[in-house]
Amino acid sequence: AQSVTQPDIHITVSEGASLELRCNYSYGATPYLFWYVQSPGQGLQLLLKYFSGDTLVQGIKGFEAEFKRSQSSFNLRKPSVHWSDAAEYFCAVGPPLNFGNEKLTFGTGTRLTIIP
Amino acid sequence: DVKVTQSSRYLVKRTGEKVFLECVQDMDHENMFWYRQDPGLGLRLIYFSYDVKMKEKGDIPEGYSVSREKKERFSLILESASTNQTSMYLCASSSPNIPSGNTIYFGEGSWLTVV
Repeated sequence: AQSVTQPDIHITVSEGASLELRCNYSYGATPYLFWYVQSPGQGLQLLLKYFSGDTLVQGIKGFEAEFKRSQSSFNLRKPSVHWSDAAEYFCAVGPPLNFGNEKLTFGTGTRLTIIP
Repeated sequence: DVKVTQSSRYLVKRTGEKVFLECVQDMDHENMFWYRQDPGLGLRLIYFSYDVKMKEKGDIPEGYSVSREKKERFSLILESASTNQTSMYLCASSSPNIPSGNTIYFGEGSWLTVV
């Protein structure tokens, strides 16, 4: 069965500092990988996704993520965080496109706090 | 842009009441989902539907049912609400036909409190 682990429940970063959020997955084949962001009281917004090709993926709001097959990881990074980045971040893994069932499995999330 | 609309953002219901959560998407997506989100547990799939009148159980279907009579609308039903169903409910949709593939789009969520 597929699974996703986000080992950090809560991370605090100073504004302007760099950020890395960790995500490890378990899946039998090459998965589809996603990062979503959720602001307080809101739904989830897609930040970026990886399907194939270049393992470094660029997303919205200056975020990027790198797929490392050997480490089963898909870590999210941002070189300089802004106060508006404070939110909860979810990593998700899903089956390849040609499977009929597009269910995603989500991690439990990492809450990001930004301090001045 | 894809729009997934959940008609009720905040609801308070009594134990034993029948509760309907409605969701509409405007992108002609084949797939629709209902998730439940609880602190420390992340998102858990309740039910999903890949076509009109089709449904499949997710990871936590007990105590819930769904209805999909039209492609754009997917309803979550709590036949007899209980306090342990107090949660945030997220509706989502996706399509396998988009070349960029199966991206799931979420609504803003419905906060349900059962008292």
